[in-house]
Amino acid sequence: AQKVTQAQTEISVVEKEDVTLDCVYETRDTTYYLFWYKQPPSGELVFLIRRNSFDEQNEISGRYSWNFQKSTSSFNFTITASQVVDSAVYFCALSDPNSNSGYALNFGKGTSLLVTP
Amino acid sequence: GAGVSQSPSNKVTEKGKDVELRCDPISGHTALYWYRQSLGQGLEFLIYFQGNSAPDKSGLPSDRFSAERTGGSVSTLTIQRTQQEDSAVYLCASSLVGGQPQHFGDGTRLSIL
Repeated sequence: AQKVTQAQTEISVVEKEDVTLDCVYETRDTTYYLFWYKQPPSGELVFLIRRNSFDEQNEISGRYSWNFQKSTSSFNFTITASQVVDSAVYFCALSDPNSNSGYALNFGKGTSLLVTP
Repeated sequence: GAGVSQSPSNKVTEKGKDVELRCDPISGHTALYWYRQSLGQGLEFLIYFQGNSAPDKSGLPSDRFSAERTGGSVSTLTIQRTQQEDSAVYLCASSLVGGQPQHFGDGTRLSIL
């Protein structure tokens, strides 16, 4: 069975601090996709990144970076120099290997990030 | 439209009534998904359509739930004889094909009195 664990329920930081959101996953599959989504107070889930299980290269996009380590089954997300607009709930997700589900997403419980001025 | 559109945005109804939720995916996206988000259960997958076909309906919470998709586009999620535990935000997502990044709508917030 698959499982995604986001152990940090809530994080509060002051603007300009760096913050890392942890994600640990469990799967028996060798081929899978990992995702991060952002859910701001407005409610819409916004896609941030998809990572293939065969690609362990770290990814950087502006102030966002992702560290994928298969050895520890982790896919952590770091925001550098956080801003108030980064305040949101962040979800890590793992694709279901079942094609009958269209590789639907198994989500973690989410980490609520609050960035204060 | 440019994104996934869901209607209504909010729905309040009495226990026992039927409700119908609508999702209009991004044009050209063949894969469509329904999820449910509630405080207790987090984000749960309900059902997936490839074109008009749903290969696996086992994610639907009970036989009161049904979904269909017509013309490879608009989908409706119907809940019959609603119960209070059905209260949640129902999210629709679409992707080009299964496995590609899913793009979500704003959701329908359903409240059962």
